[in-house]
Amino acid sequence: KAGVTQTPRYLIKTRGQQVTLSCSPISGHRSVSWYQQTPGQGLQFLFEYFSETQRNKGNFPGRFSGRQFSNSRSEMNVSTLELGDSALYLCASSLEGPGANVLTFGAGSRLTVL
Amino acid sequence: AQTVTQSQPEMSVQEAETVTLSCTYDTSENNYYLFWYKQPPSRQMILVIRQEAYKQQNATENRFSVNFQKAAKSFSLKISDSQLGDTAMYFCAFMKGGYQKVTFGTGTKLQVIP
Repeated sequence: KAGVTQTPRYLIKTRGQQVTLSCSPISGHRSVSWYQQTPGQGLQFLFEYFSETQRNKGNFPGRFSGRQFSNSRSEMNVSTLELGDSALYLCASSLEGPGANVLTFGAGSRLTVL
Repeated sequence: AQTVTQSQPEMSVQEAETVTLSCTYDTSENNYYLFWYKQPPSRQMILVIRQEAYKQQNATENRFSVNFQKAAKSFSLKISDSQLGDTAMYFCAFMKGGYQKVTFGTGTKLQVIP
């Protein structure tokens, strides 16, 4: 069974550009959530999607957005990049219902903003 | 809002010895889950162990066990017979029941010494 797949694994952008990151969840998982990991702020929740709807959102500016497609794949977008957006972006998927509540993470996308 | 506190930024343990990582949390919720995740240098976040708050029995997974003290809001992780592969960052995490949103602690960097 394939795990959570994130692409690209590494990318470099310059300030002011935008970036789109992709996440393919484990087959059958309908919930996808995104986290930002930085040395200074640690792991912070960005948002969570279920059945193409955003259910939860963290405290990030509107430059951070996401969406989920009918096949549960998700993308997140960051517009007008700032130096402080340099981070490891982690995607996680999970099941719903009994026995759920366990996030399975992807390997992450390392974004560097110059 | 929930908070998760890990007061040990770094720890080390001799191979084959036992080590305990501490975690405290604060919440007013009754239905929640607690986790320990491991992030080795490869960056892949891996679930180590999960505890449902309504269960009094402490969770165990092979060499990993927890000491869950609900009244004290404490959730420590014990690693027995430490192995070199246990070297990683360990994150304590909280999830409110019914919400796929995880609050992470700041992590404990564990080094297993040969």
